[in-house]
Amino acid sequence: EADIYQTPRYLVIGTGKKITLECSQTMGHDKMYWYQQDPGMELHLIHYSYGVNSTEKGDLSSESTVSRIRTEHFPLTLESARPSHTSQYLCASSGGYEQYFGPGTRLTVT
Amino acid sequence: RKEVEQDPGPFNVPEGATVAFNCTYSNSASQSFFWYRQDCRKEPKLLMSVYSSGNEDGRFTAQLNRASQYISLLIRDSKLSDSATYLCVVNQYGNKLVFGAGTILRVKS
Repeated sequence: EADIYQTPRYLVIGTGKKITLECSQTMGHDKMYWYQQDPGMELHLIHYSYGVNSTEKGDLSSESTVSRIRTEHFPLTLESARPSHTSQYLCASSGGYEQYFGPGTRLTVT
Repeated sequence: RKEVEQDPGPFNVPEGATVAFNCTYSNSASQSFFWYRQDCRKEPKLLMSVYSSGNEDGRFTAQLNRASQYISLLIRDSKLSDSATYLCVVNQYGNKLVFGAGTILRVKS
């Protein structure tokens, strides 16, 4: 099982602020993913990466951006947070087909 | 039509009961199948992979029917701790997984 970490776990921030959600994994997995999930709703893929310098947008349109400069690190950035960005953000990594998730960041934009 | 469909439940069962969840997927080219478990406000955790021959892990049995594009999960001797949302997950395009909306299980004493 992958060791995958996300910080912060909880974040309350005002509208218009720039935020970066951190995700790191220690298993050397090439593939990493960001999902967005509202309470009681399904997961939606917003970004993914198959390796260093590779990033793609997912199925759900998102105003966030990602980067993959190091294998173990896949941060997600929102340049200007809005209340509509309030959600849980889950990072995952994969060495095969199955994915392993971090504990998530619960973001509230006021 | 959703790519992965599950009965949302909730399934309310007594401890010790046997319960089965079903899932259908739309893409016949799908290659890998999984069940994940998600507790309230937590991240999804891999419960088991699903193989064509069917597979069992303790009280949990997963089956795949490729012809009908159907996946099932059977839980025997339900425990209170089995209460969670069970996600049917299918690998369809490259290394992307498609998650079902989940089936809620509530086990009561």
